[in-house]
Amino acid sequence: TQLLEQSPQFLSIQEGENLTVYCNSSSVFSSLQWYRQEPGEGPVLLVTVVTGGEVKKLKRLTFQFGDARKDSSLHITAAQPGDTGLYLCAGLPRAYNTDKLIFGTGTRLQVFP
Amino acid sequence: KAGVTQTPRYLIKTRGQQVTLSCSPISGHRSVSWYQQTPGQGLQFLFEYFSETQRNKGNFPGRFSGRQFSNSRSEMNVSTLELGDSALYLCASSQGTGANVLTFGAGSRLTVL
Repeated sequence: TQLLEQSPQFLSIQEGENLTVYCNSSSVFSSLQWYRQEPGEGPVLLVTVVTGGEVKKLKRLTFQFGDARKDSSLHITAAQPGDTGLYLCAGLPRAYNTDKLIFGTGTRLQVFP
Repeated sequence: KAGVTQTPRYLIKTRGQQVTLSCSPISGHRSVSWYQQTPGQGLQFLFEYFSETQRNKGNFPGRFSGRQFSNSRSEMNVSTLELGDSALYLCASSQGTGANVLTFGAGSRLTVL
């Protein structure tokens, strides 16, 4: 059983469309991070959210941390082919008394021109 | 400054062999973490080293081992390779321990035949 479940698993859209990716858990997290991994590369950190209800924007990307700190979402406005990649959420589960990141199952996004 | 460097980038081994992968962290980063990435299991934590000491270890068999040198460079070794060890092995460095900002290398893709 994965501690962090992401949905959808795969997403294929046309350039210009909007999309939302979800990262859900039954556990509370101290913080959540979002990474993007392009083919042939390692994941690159996009953002870290720490406070319940927090919203952060990075150009066309909007990240939200749930009020209960059990879930997070990533919304992309007017997707572009350059957004193509594997999106991973990762966090520190408070109940597990660990300081090592747990990664989500991933959402693979393909944006067609 | 230079990023995280992993070598080799690609390698092919046969069952029963052993393999050593290398990771050079960002200059000044003292923590190195290793992850295994597969399509089925996603990113799974292997171990973390800080100042030549293993701080955390994931749920992998003893065939997986690692070490860190005084210059913070790290190596991981997998002995008696199995088909299921085929994966992308990612190394990430950070300045401190735990879930600080992780900077990943491009990975070493291992194929076991």
